[in-house]
Amino acid sequence: GAGVSQSPRYKVAKRGQDVALRCDPISGHVSLFWYQQALGQGPEFLTYFQNEAQLDKSGLPSDRFFAERPEGSVSTLKIQRTQQEDSAVYLCASSLLGTGEMGGEKLFFGSGTQLSVL
Amino acid sequence: AQTVTQSQPEMSVQEAETVTLSCTYDTSESDYYLFWYKQPPSRQMILVIRQEAYKQQNATENRFSVNFQKAAKSFSLKISDSQLGDAAMYFCAYRIQGAQKLVFGQGTRLTINP
Repeated sequence: GAGVSQSPRYKVAKRGQDVALRCDPISGHVSLFWYQQALGQGPEFLTYFQNEAQLDKSGLPSDRFFAERPEGSVSTLKIQRTQQEDSAVYLCASSLLGTGEMGGEKLFFGSGTQLSVL
Repeated sequence: AQTVTQSQPEMSVQEAETVTLSCTYDTSESDYYLFWYKQPPSRQMILVIRQEAYKQQNATENRFSVNFQKAAKSFSLKISDSQLGDAAMYFCAYRIQGAQKLVFGQGTRLTINP
């Protein structure tokens, strides 16, 4: 596609509900990132994939958060038993190159999914 | 800890004027990259400009330029001839060479007054 696509754009969940957020990166992009952006804050790193391999998940805040990219393209971020503190915008980004080559390479971001947990 | 600090939560400027957004960062690394991203209400982060730390020359992209002071760990963004379309949140960020993640600041909300 022309850009990084994320769905849904908005998600409202009741506390305790499981949610799944989808990211379609730019075709052929090796690297895929998930970021969490709380209201009024900058994005914070959650996890990184190089193709289908999850190379860094150090930013995932708890074991309720799980991400996958099984075929090296589309990725899903799953949050189990959502809590109010999970309310945020979840941004996905992709880039052409893989780790070690990345340097100053540009990341292409999607428009995010705004998650509200009631 | 690696941190990025944007000390101006909000800035405003008259259309056609020049505005400078401040950013400082803290790292012990010597090889890294610095970025300014723009986030309009659509939420999509858009790269405005980037700077390699090993380059002394300040990066420029049309109306956007940076003042990179490596010793002071300062990376400010200057927007010349401000336009209404420049109104957005602006985030400073950096990435260490060889690392994957970007570290972002808290953002500065820029308003353009017509």
